[in-house]
Amino acid sequence: EPEVTQTPSHQVTQMGQEVILRCVPISNHLYFYWYRQILGQKVEFLVSFYNNEISEKSEIFDDQFSVERPDGSNFTLKIRSTKLEDSAMYFCASKGDGDEQFFGPGTRLTVL
Amino acid sequence: AQSVTQLDSQVPVFEEAPVELRCNYSSSVSVYLFWYVQYPNQGLQLLLKYLSGSTLVKGINGFEAEFNKSQTSFHLRKPSVHISDTAEYFCAVRKRTNAGKSTFGDGTTLTVKP
Repeated sequence: EPEVTQTPSHQVTQMGQEVILRCVPISNHLYFYWYRQILGQKVEFLVSFYNNEISEKSEIFDDQFSVERPDGSNFTLKIRSTKLEDSAMYFCASKGDGDEQFFGPGTRLTVL
Repeated sequence: AQSVTQLDSQVPVFEEAPVELRCNYSSSVSVYLFWYVQYPNQGLQLLLKYLSGSTLVKGINGFEAEFNKSQTSFHLRKPSVHISDTAEYFCAVRKRTNAGKSTFGDGTTLTVKP
């Protein structure tokens, strides 16, 4: 069964450093999303992406964040200068023609 | 805008007892409804979804949920829980548009005791 994959599973970084979280969506999907979940809290929407541009973004998705689909298979989330409060689990999701978003296993980002 | 309220933050229950996890939502537009389960240190697994049609939907692991439009609720039920059902459960809604984002509730921690 096709699935969304994410790498790395755990990323540790120093405050102020740039990080890139990588996702490989399901191959024929066209809609891509990033969500985050701070430890012990609910899952929050960050951004949606379609046709090589952002469809919608939340207030959390400020200028420190960017997304890119650099080739036909990857979908990345970049945080330019990480803060302590960026520590969270980041989930990628993708959607095809159907109604369901398929979530990846997540990347745990720890900012020290 | 959409919002989701999960009425119980924690639900302790004994093994083989029935359980109901409550979810209410608010939306100015038509939405799809979902329940996800998250086991410790793992990702989100879809339990079930309501898209249209019958208001009673059945999912994996013996769970079911009923959509009630007048009460804007989508409560999750299981007639007999197992220890392995111990997890975090999230109710979510998504706008009925192609790129629509999901909005999640705060989650309910289900703890099944022997």
